[in-house]
Amino acid sequence: DAGVIQSPRHEVTEMGQEVTLRCKLISGHNSLFWYRQTMMRGLELLIYFNNNVPIDDSGMPEDRFSAKMPNASFSTLKIQPSEPRDSAVYFCASSPRGGNEQYFGPGTRLTVT
Amino acid sequence: DQQVKQNSPSLSVQEGRISILNCDYTNSMFDYFLWYKKYPAEGPTFLISISSIKDKNEDGRFTVFLNKSAKHLSLHIVPSQPGDSAVYFCAASPRPAGTYKYIFGTGTRLKVLA
Repeated sequence: DAGVIQSPRHEVTEMGQEVTLRCKLISGHNSLFWYRQTMMRGLELLIYFNNNVPIDDSGMPEDRFSAKMPNASFSTLKIQPSEPRDSAVYFCASSPRGGNEQYFGPGTRLTVT
Repeated sequence: DQQVKQNSPSLSVQEGRISILNCDYTNSMFDYFLWYKKYPAEGPTFLISISSIKDKNEDGRFTVFLNKSAKHLSLHIVPSQPGDSAVYFCAASPRPAGTYKYIFGTGTRLKVLA
């Protein structure tokens, strides 16, 4: 199994631009989590889905952030417009039904200048 | 408001000695705890977990201890090896299943010196 796949691995963009991060779940997993890692706050949960349905988006920082799961195996996290304070590493993770572990992707390092 | 706290940002240990990483939590509803390890440029990987009905769980060189009354857990690595050098995150959840959200700490960077 290829594991959780994230793209792009690195993204550099200018303030005000739209950024879209992508995630492909492990086949058969039904839960999807988006995290943001910063030095100050560690790993913060932004949003998670169960069976394509958003369950908890309380961690999404602002309306500039949105996430979708158009199908059972794919998700996007969009930031529009992006700001320098959004610079961080963004991880997605998936989990199988009834499983106790979350499997993380390699992350997308976002730099907003 | 950090519900899961790792107060030591870094730790250095000699190869062969014991590494002890600590984690404190504030929410008494947390029922399941995990440790993840993260190497540079990679995503975190699951290391070991413990349910609140236990006070110890062991897997090879790794042991997690849970003290519910103190709201404290620790990860012991014995003996430490250079390959253990990584950032370690503790996480907590009110439910054991992976479909529920975890609250992660800020991480402790462990360096094992050869």
